[in-house]
Amino acid sequence: EPEVTQTPSHQVTQMGQEVILRCVPISNHLYFYWYRQILGQKVEFLVSFYNNEISEKSEIFDDQFSVERPDGSNFTLKIRSTKLEDSAMYFCASSVRGANVLTFGAGSRLTVL
Amino acid sequence: TQLLEQSPQFLSIQEGENLTVYCNSSSVFSSLQWYRQEPGEGPVLLVTVVTGGEVKKLKRLTFQFGDARKDSSLHITAAQPGDTGLYLCAGPNAGGTSYGKLTFGQGTILTVHP
Repeated sequence: EPEVTQTPSHQVTQMGQEVILRCVPISNHLYFYWYRQILGQKVEFLVSFYNNEISEKSEIFDDQFSVERPDGSNFTLKIRSTKLEDSAMYFCASSVRGANVLTFGAGSRLTVL
Repeated sequence: TQLLEQSPQFLSIQEGENLTVYCNSSSVFSSLQWYRQEPGEGPVLLVTVVTGGEVKKLKRLTFQFGDARKDSSLHITAAQPGDTGLYLCAGPNAGGTSYGKLTFGQGTILTVHP
């Protein structure tokens, strides 16, 4: 069964460092997303991406965050200067055109020290 | 902002018991989804309910969408240890400009003891 793959599974970084989280969405999906889940809190929407541009972003997705699809397969989330409160599980997801049915990856756990 | 509230937050039961998890909102949702998430994994979609009053069954799991499309429930019959996990409800945000922007409930952690 097709799946969304994310790397790394766990990253530990120092506050202020840049982090790039990588995702390979399902090949025929056209919409891509990043969500995050801080420990003990709800899964929260960060950003949606379609046709090589951001479709929608939440208040959480400030100037420290950026997304990119550098080639035909990878979809990345960059955090420019990490803060302690960025520690969370970051989930990538993808969907076919025009659907709210998302397939999530297993997540990347980010720990900021 | 649309909110989804799940109850109970924690549920610990014995194998063979029945249980119901609730997902409530003061807002109308065009659809609601139920996900199951296991430790170290992402949420996995179980079902989407779209029509008010709709009932969907997935083996021992029964999902219902409220008539007013503001609430949903998940009922598990004869729970088994393999049902243990985090159950999440989620719905698409109204007024969003794109698909896939989901609001999630806080989840129900279910533990089924053998």
